[in-house]
Formats: sequence, C-alpha cells, structure tokens
Amino acid sequence: SQKIEQNSEALNIQEGKTATLTCNYTNYSPAYLQWYRQDPGRGPVFLLLIRENEKEKRKERLKVTFDTTLKQSLFHITASQPADSATYLCALDRLYNQGGKLIFGQGTELSVKP
Amino acid sequence: SAVISQKPSRDICQRGTSLTIQCQVDSQVTMMFWYRQQPGQSLTLIATANQGSEATYESGFVIDKFPISRPNLTFSTLTVSNMSPEDSSIYLCSATAGTGGLGEQFFGPGTRLTVL
Repeated sequence: SQKIEQNSEALNIQEGKTATLTCNYTNYSPAYLQWYRQDPGRGPVFLLLIRENEKEKRKERLKVTFDTTLKQSLFHITASQPADSATYLCALDRLYNQGGKLIFGQGTELSVKP
Repeated sequence: SAVISQKPSRDICQRGTSLTIQCQVDSQVTMMFWYRQQPGQSLTLIATANQGSEATYESGFVIDKFPISRPNLTFSTLTVSNMSPEDSSIYLCSATAGTGGLGEQFFGPGTRLTVL
C-alpha cells in the first residue's frame, strides 16, 4: 500500500531563513501531490498542488518541487516568518487521478523563531 | 473556494452512546469526505459521502460504526455509534469542488470528541 513519510522531528529555524520540508513516498506513483498547513485546533488549509508532469511550482514565498524518480517532494518557505510556524502536511491522491481521495503524511512541525 | 462549518466543535460523551456530527458547506461541491485525526497523528480517510447514495468506506471503517448521510450537495453528517474511548479523536469534514473531485480540498475546523 502507499506510504508517505515526512520528517517527524520538528524543524526550528531563524526568521528570514528558508525552511525546507521533505515528503517521501513509496509503493506508488501519484498523479499529483498537495501540501497543506495545519494550525493547532484547526483543519488543514490547502497551499499548493503539483502534478506528476510538473517539476516545480511557486506561490509567493512558497515553492514545491516534485521528483517522481526519487519519489520525493520538497516544500520551501523563503524569508520565513514566525507566522509560518505550523504543521505542514503532504498528501497524495489515493487512487490514481480519481475521486479526490487523499492519503496524508504525518506532518512536520515548523517553528520559526524571531 | 468553500467555507465549511462543523457542529459540534467538541463534545464529551459516555461509552456506548452515539454522536452525530454535522458538516455544512457554503456552496455546492462535488465530493465530501470524512477524516479522523487521532492525537499526534495524521489524517485518516474514513469514507466518501456520496450524495443520494450510500457512502464509500475505506478499509477498517464500516457503516454500522460510522453511518454517513449526504442528502444534498452542501450537507453531510457522520455518526459515531456505540462509542468507546478508542473513538476519541478529531473528526474532520472536507470537500472538493474540482472536476472529478480532483484538486484542493477544503476542511472544516474539526469536531474534537472525547469518550469517557
């Protein structure tokens, strides 16, 4: 079955630096991969979607890469701010390109210190 | 985009009872889903709520334990039946408006359930 792994250890960085989060997956070739942000006590909020034929996608200070050979996605936040502190989840389509079902990684907690 | 609300936001229930969680979307959506998020864990898909027909359950989840309704394109309910402490979790409703259900999902704020 599909398996997704994210860094389980919290990532602590200084304000202004670039945060890089990793998402690795096995036993699957997804049609797309998504990144979400989750704050304590709240539901996840969609950030970016990248398709299997896309290498990179950007949105403001966010950048996502997708390497289907390595089966890995990297999520970057440039010029990080304390407000970026949250848990970041990656998710894959559970059934190839069908129906919107997602399988989530366990998330990586990011803490940006001023 | 879609804004999703859930009721109740939290509840404390006794073992053996049932709780129904409501999910309301502010616009018509194609797909609605129910997830469970146990403490410190990621989200696990329970089922897809199908409008006008029976929900589609994922492995490990059954209709008798988690009956789901979706009477229209903006509303769904999840019932947690015959609860035990192992059911203590956050239950999240989500929806997607993309063609065929693809694309970003919008999540409700979750319902925090504690079973004593």
